[in-house]
Formats: sequence, C-alpha cells, structure tokens
Amino acid sequence: GAGVSQTPSNKVTEKGKYVELRCDPISGHTALYWYRQSLGQGPEFLIYFQGTGAADDSGLPNDRFFAVRPEGSVSTLKIQRTERGDSAVYLCASSPKIGGGTDTQYFGPGTRLTVL
Amino acid sequence: QKEVEQNSGPLSVPEGAIASLNCTYSDRVSQSFFWYRQYSGKSPELIMSIYSNGDKEDGRFTAQLNKASQYVSLLIRDSQPSDSATYLCAVKGWGAGGTSYGKLTFGQGTILTVHP
Repeated sequence: GAGVSQTPSNKVTEKGKYVELRCDPISGHTALYWYRQSLGQGPEFLIYFQGTGAADDSGLPNDRFFAVRPEGSVSTLKIQRTERGDSAVYLCASSPKIGGGTDTQYFGPGTRLTVL
Repeated sequence: QKEVEQNSGPLSVPEGAIASLNCTYSDRVSQSFFWYRQYSGKSPELIMSIYSNGDKEDGRFTAQLNKASQYVSLLIRDSQPSDSATYLCAVKGWGAGGTSYGKLTFGQGTILTVHP
C-alpha cells in the first residue's frame, strides 16, 4: 500500500516568507507526527496529532510554527516569517494505533526547506 | 547531557564483520526503543524495536536492551556494503494513565561504512 507522502519534496523560499508543508499519512493511521532534521543530526520532534487534535506540541520552537489536521487525515505544517535557521528537512510520520508503547512510526520522504 | 546519545562515529567495518552500535538514554521511564536506518538523502526506516530487557534477533540484526544501565545496542552480523548508512537510536516513554508519549527522541546518529 501507499506510504506516507509529503509535498513539496523541496521548497526554496526567501527570509520572511510564509510556507506550508503537507503530509498525507498512511490510510487508517490515527496518529501523525512532525519532526525536523538538520544536517548531521537526528530528527527533532515538533508536534503530534491523535485524530484532529494536537496531543503534544511541545517541540514547536516558537509561535511562528503551527500545524493543523482538520479532518484527522492530511496535516499541514505552517511556518510564518521564515528565518534562515528554519532550513532543514521536515519529516512526517504516522502510526496505526492510538496510545500504546509499541506503535511503530513510519516516515515519509520529507520536505527539504531552504530559506535564503 | 543529551537525552539520547550514540557512540561517536563514523564506524568503519570490513564486509562480513560484526558492526556494534551503542546508545544510552537519560530518561528512566523510557519504555520503547527503536533502531532506524537512514540512507543519505532518504527518510528513516525502522529496523528493530525492543521493549523488554534482553536480546531480540531478526535476521542479521540483534537488538540488546538493558534498562538498569539505560543502554540499548544494535549488532549487525555479516555486515554488507548495503548496510552502509546512518543508524538512529530512538526512545519513547509512557505517559500518564499508561498511554504512550507519542514523540520519539532520537540520538544524533552513527554513520556506518562497510567496506568490501
């Protein structure tokens, strides 16, 4: 079956602009996660959703970052007033279960964001 | 101290040898442990998950967990050049009420090179 998909695969923008990154999880997966990965580092947690609600947004770095999942499927990560330090690969993952410590997260291909 | 630390790399082993990757974590309530493999320019791919103390084997891969020492490792037997990648250790803990925290906390990754 289809895996997690993310669009666009690459996004180049100018400092101060607004960007939206989209994630389409595996069909039927109730949990959706956003991570950010800088070069040479492991992914860093941003936010996760169970259904439509954000269950944990403790990783969002500041109020320029916001994410939604209005219908419990597709999610959009929104970044306002982008800064050069926002440049990274943004990864989305989904998992099939609500709660439970054993749920596996499956990652999408990522969106590479470059802020000039 | 970082929450999840991996042995510094890069690690280089000859083809056919055993590669040993190590990870320590600081949060004693961590309950779920994962090893992901990430090829250059690609997203993380789950190799192994382990939840109980001891060893878990899957083909050429063996994960070892010691919760008392807060240590988890991954052994790759009969290493192949195709195993050359960055290996990411990730941990997850239980939240209040027995449901899992959603987020994974990753180490910085260890680059493994298997040379013919």
